[in-house]
Amino acid sequence: RKEVEQDPGPFNVPEGATVAFNCTYSNSASQSFFWYRQDCRKEPKLLMSVYSSGNEDGRFTAQLNRASQYISLLIRDSKLSDSATYLCVVGKIYNQGGKLIFGQGTELSVKP
Amino acid sequence: NAGVTQTPKFRVLKTGQSMTLLCAQDMNHEYMYWYRQDPGMGLRLIHYSVGEGTTAKGEVPDGYNVSRLKKQNFLLGLESAAPSQTSVYFCASFDRTSYEQYFGPGTRLTVT
Repeated sequence: RKEVEQDPGPFNVPEGATVAFNCTYSNSASQSFFWYRQDCRKEPKLLMSVYSSGNEDGRFTAQLNRASQYISLLIRDSKLSDSATYLCVVGKIYNQGGKLIFGQGTELSVKP
Repeated sequence: NAGVTQTPKFRVLKTGQSMTLLCAQDMNHEYMYWYRQDPGMGLRLIHYSVGEGTTAKGEVPDGYNVSRLKKQNFLLGLESAAPSQTSVYFCASFDRTSYEQYFGPGTRLTVT
C-alpha cells in the first residue's frame, strides 16, 4: 500500500464547476499536510498547507481529518488556469529531516 | 534571489556513462533533497541532506551518490547510468519556518 494515495484522474470539468480531490495517508504519525500544484513539465509548487481546523484561500478549501487519515481539496468556480496536477503531500518534519511523502497526483483539466 | 537552480536542464547518456547533476539554492536553507519523478509513480526521494557535510538515503538511493560540501550546493552523481534511471530529477530545499519545499526546474535525463 502506498503511503499517500490519490485518485489519479484525470478529472475533466467545465469552467465554473466545483471539483473535489481526496487523499488518504497511512502513517498516523504524520505531522504536516500540504497540497502542491504541478503544471505540465514544471516543478511542483506549494498551493496551500492543510490544518485540522480546515483552511481556505480564495476559491480553494483544504480539510484534514486526522481520525480518518484523510485530506481533501475543494476548488470552486474552476478556471482554465486551474488545469494542472494536484499533489497531496504529508510529512514528519522534526526528526525526519523535513522529509515529505508525495502522492502520485490528481490531474485536473478545466475545459471552456 | 534565484531560489533553487539545477544544471543541466536536459541530458542524454549512454548506458554505463557517468554524470553529476548540480543543485544550488540561495535561500540559506539547511535541508536539501533529490527526487526523481516517473509517470504514475509520483515524486520519490533519492537522497537528502540536513546540513553541510551530511547526507542520508531516501526511498530509492541505489545507483546514486550525493555530496553536500557547501551549504548552498547539493550534487547528485550517477556512476554508471542505466536505462532505469531515465527520469525527471528535481532538487528541493526546505524552509524550516514555513515548512515549504522549494523545487528547482528539473533535469530531464534519458539513458539509452
